Amino acid sequence: DTAVSQTPKYLVTQMGNDKSIKCEQNLGHDTMYWYKQDSKKFLKIMFSYNNKELIINETVPNRFSPKSPDKAHLNLHINSLELGDSAVYFCASSASSGNTIYFGEGSWLTVV
Amino acid sequence: KNEVEQSPQNLTAQEGEFITINCSYSVGISALHWLQQHPGGGIVSLFMLSSGKKKHGRLIATINIQEKHSSLHITASHPRDSAVYICAVRSGYNNNDMRFGAGTRLTVKP
Repeated sequence: DTAVSQTPKYLVTQMGNDKSIKCEQNLGHDTMYWYKQDSKKFLKIMFSYNNKELIINETVPNRFSPKSPDKAHLNLHINSLELGDSAVYFCASSASSGNTIYFGEGSWLTVV
Repeated sequence: KNEVEQSPQNLTAQEGEFITINCSYSVGISALHWLQQHPGGGIVSLFMLSSGKKKHGRLIATINIQEKHSSLHITASHPRDSAVYICAVRSGYNNNDMRFGAGTRLTVKP
């Protein structure tokens, strides 16, 4: 069983559309994250959720919204997609905010 | 200037060589992570350090808090070690805030 799974793995969509990427972890962790890796392979944290509470939100446009229905899920919703949103998005989790991080396989988003 | 600087950016080695990748940071941290990103894109956490040294198989990670510097060493390198190695630091002020280095692309030739 994959510890942190995210779907879809690949997503190609047109500008202006709204899309979601789902993430689930079966590790019993209480903190989940979303990271963005741009075309230069630079990783940046987007969101962190701890016990269903948003902890940090870096300078991310409000078109991006994390939704956590329960401790095991942190979905990423993106409204009005723009070309610059094309990137790889990684979901991750950890037992608490200071521990080892487990990453999902990544979701390749291409906006055309 | 990035708060987390890695060197070198790219590294090519022959199988069996000893590899060192360096990471310097300019912010207060609570912990430092070394990550490995495979050519397929998956990311694996190798180490989490807050002091001293850790060893796992052929991998060794060290950190010097006073000098704000960490190194990742690979002994007896192998082509399967070819990957991008990323240094990441957790903020000392906000434990959920992580800053990443740009990564070091390692290629180990047989």
